[in-house]
Amino acid sequence: EVQLVQSGAEVKKPGESLKISCKGSGYSFTSYWIGWVRQMPGKGLEWMGIIYPGDSDTRYSPSFQGQVTISADKSISTAYLQWSSLKASDTAMYYCASPKNDAFDIWGQGTMVTVSS
Amino acid sequence: DIQMTQSPSSLSASVGDRVTITCQASQDISNYLNWYQQKPGKAPKLLIYDASNLETGVPSRFSGSGSGTDFTFTISSLQPEDIATYYCQQYDNLMYTFGQGTKLEIK
Repeated sequence: EVQLVQSGAEVKKPGESLKISCKGSGYSFTSYWIGWVRQMPGKGLEWMGIIYPGDSDTRYSPSFQGQVTISADKSISTAYLQWSSLKASDTAMYYCASPKNDAFDIWGQGTMVTVSS
Repeated sequence: DIQMTQSPSSLSASVGDRVTITCQASQDISNYLNWYQQKPGKAPKLLIYDASNLETGVPSRFSGSGSGTDFTFTISSLQPEDIATYYCQQYDNLMYTFGQGTKLEIK
């Protein structure tokens, strides 16, 4: 079964760093892009960026460029989303998702990140 | 950036009604337009890809149409389990944008 399994919920303080993960299984991890999508509480979906684990080619939404870092470790079939200094406004649910061509057909279960002092 | 304008933002309809949601792109995106359903507390689910193709396992009451800049998503006969928020999403050269979403409620 093709699936993406994300790391668990996080509670952090402003200014702290964080790296959340998304592990792929049931398919060739290096052959498909993996993207990240933010959903702030009660709000819509926002595409953040995408990485091709085969060669680490990464693209960012202009809204998120410089705010987060997307990476992948193909040896363990895992993609990452990281922050160097969290803000309260980073509080959101974060989904990883893999596109079949242009549509995200496989989604992780989501990782809730709460940033509060 | 390509912007997506989705309307309406919310919609109330009765079981059995025909429901239509529209999405307009700020520039020509050919047929690179997809539709998702998201229920509370769940990840989004792909329903329609490339404007009009039904994803495997999705009921045939869901359909999509359009090309270029104007797209339509239709539920032919609303069912209670269709209560959710629906999003359009465009693709252009490894950049993606979601519409603002349409929250669908039962009247």
